Amino acid sequence: EVQLVESGGGLVQPGGSLRLSCEASGFTFSNYWMSWVRQGPGKGLEWVANIKQDGSEKYYMDFVKGRFTISRDNAKNSLYLQMNSLRVEDTAIYYCTRLLGVSFGAVTMYHFDYWGQGTLATVSS
Amino acid sequence: DIQMTQSPSSLSASVGDRVTITCRASQSISSCVNWYQQKPGKAPKPLIYAASSLYSGVPSRFSGSGSGTDFTLTISNLQPEDFATYYCQQCYTRWTFGQGTKVEFK
Repeated sequence: EVQLVESGGGLVQPGGSLRLSCEASGFTFSNYWMSWVRQGPGKGLEWVANIKQDGSEKYYMDFVKGRFTISRDNAKNSLYLQMNSLRVEDTAIYYCTRLLGVSFGAVTMYHFDYWGQGTLATVSS
Repeated sequence: DIQMTQSPSSLSASVGDRVTITCRASQSISSCVNWYQQKPGKAPKPLIYAASSLYSGVPSRFSGSGSGTDFTLTISNLQPEDFATYYCQQCYTRWTFGQGTKVEFK
């Protein structure tokens, strides 16, 4: 059974840092792109960052570029999100997600097929 | 960035109704659209990927269609467990979500 378990959320002051972790099990972690998706209180979903299987490619939403860093440790089946210079607007539940690619001829389309239960990061003074 | 405009933002429906939710992309995205269902306090779950492919285990009353800029999620014969919030998401470039559609009980 695929499981994604996040941890590391909490209360931090504006300008502070948090490091989120996601422990994966039930699948070969090193074979998949992984992502973080967040959801502010009472708001919709927002993609945050992606990382390739070997960590060689990383992509970020504009709002977090230069402040957040996604990384992974395939030996530990773990995904991370280092969040620095946090702002009140970063307050959200952060979900760890697996990206599954499905090929349609020469094109591969990706979707988020498994999600963790989320960890809440609250940025407030 | 590609914007996804989802409508309506909410709707009221009854068990047995046919419900349609639409999503419009700000530019052509081929068929790279996914749909998710989210219930209160829970993580989203995939319903449809690549515009019209049903995710494993999802009931056949859910269907998706569209290509280019206009996409539709249809729930035929709405069931009590379908009352939830639904999101579209484009996967063409740098994933973005629609604002969500809350399906409420009439």
